[in-house]
Amino acid sequence: DAGVTQSPTHLIKTRGQQVTLRCSPKSGHDTVSWYQQALGQGPQFIFQYYEEEERQRGNFPDRFSGHQFPNYSSELNVNALLLGDSALYLCASSRRILAGGSYNEQFFGPGTRLTVL
Amino acid sequence: SQELEQSPQSLIVQEGKNLTINCTSSKTLYGLYWYKQKYGEGLIFLMMLQKGGEEKSHEKITAKLDEKKQQSSLHITASQPSHAGIYLCGADSVGNQGGKLIFGQGTELSVKP
Repeated sequence: DAGVTQSPTHLIKTRGQQVTLRCSPKSGHDTVSWYQQALGQGPQFIFQYYEEEERQRGNFPDRFSGHQFPNYSSELNVNALLLGDSALYLCASSRRILAGGSYNEQFFGPGTRLTVL
Repeated sequence: SQELEQSPQSLIVQEGKNLTINCTSSKTLYGLYWYKQKYGEGLIFLMMLQKGGEEKSHEKITAKLDEKKQQSSLHITASQPSHAGIYLCGADSVGNQGGKLIFGQGTELSVKP
């Protein structure tokens, strides 16, 4: 089991550009969440995808968008990059539990380090 | 909105010593997760606590959730250099069952040989 994988590992962009980050969930998982982690802080929730739809969203502008594919993998897109978008972007996968079930664990990938110059 | 506060923010201990990291929530916790992170890397899942008074252990790490489900502690016994890293607590704020997690700011642990 490869666990959660993310690509690329590192990325350097300039202000105003667009970027796409990719995530493959852990085998058996169907839900993908994206987090942004600035230096010295805890991760901040961006959004979550399940059944190819955005189910929950954190306090991030519309410049941040995503997609989930039928194989459960996901992409995070950021348009019009700002210097403040420089961060470690983490993908987490989990298995959806129906109402009344027990809580499940979120497993994180190694992250993509985005630097905006 | 719910907030998590971790203490201390950083910790330096001598190898072999015990230590405790605390995580306090402004609201009742439905699920409390502990993760470990090496600098600039992904989060490694340690434990999840769900019920008031629950306690779980893995190797030399023990996590507890208080009865009121607003505070959790992570205790490391006989610390080793391999325990060094950033410890993060994360909370399922509204019972989303694997949904949005809110994280504390992290506790950076250094273990001196």
